[in-house]
Amino acid sequence: GQQLNQSPQSMFIQEGEDVSMNCTSSSIFNTWLWYKQDPGEGPVLLIALYKAGELTSNGRLTAQFGITRKDSFLNISASIPSDVGIYFCAGHRGGSQGNLIFGKGTKLSVKP
Amino acid sequence: ETGVTQTPRHLVMGMTNKKSLKCEQHLGHNAMYWYKQSAKKPLELMFVYSLEERVENNSVPSRFSPECPNSSHLFLHLHTLQPEDSALYLCASSQEPVYNEQFFGPGTRLTVL
Repeated sequence: GQQLNQSPQSMFIQEGEDVSMNCTSSSIFNTWLWYKQDPGEGPVLLIALYKAGELTSNGRLTAQFGITRKDSFLNISASIPSDVGIYFCAGHRGGSQGNLIFGKGTKLSVKP
Repeated sequence: ETGVTQTPRHLVMGMTNKKSLKCEQHLGHNAMYWYKQSAKKPLELMFVYSLEERVENNSVPSRFSPECPNSSHLFLHLHTLQPEDSALYLCASSQEPVYNEQFFGPGTRLTVL
């Protein structure tokens, strides 16, 4: 089946640093989404991208839909301790509902 | 505050028990989903309901039985589970036609002894 390769698997950064993570696939997706999951909670939708090349921001978060439609990037600027969590990318192929494909996640740790 | 609630939040059960997980969404959505989240694995889609009809079942064992009595409620009935079924079970909902923007509940942490 389709897989998303999400990297890095984990990151340890200092508060104030910028963060970059990405997701790649061998297949084309029509939509890319980025979620954040805090311990003991469900994933929360951060950003949804619908067009190749689209760049969308949500506060300090910026995500891009790759031109090839096979990748997406998430950047976090000026990280703060509450950014800690696991970030998941997800792709949707279009067509029948529900078939979101998820990456394995990037675990972010922020040192104050 | 996602508008999707799940109960119970934690459940420990033996392999011969029967239990049910409940999900309720307060967002007015018309599609609901069950996912399984295991350590170091991507979220796995189990079931999809659209307008209260099951539209997708990703080859889930029959010991998991979903029920969707209306567009706001979703159940997952559990029977004769195995220890490898221990995981976080997440419910999500979305609104047609934007099935890809799914909103998740907090999950039920299930442990099968």
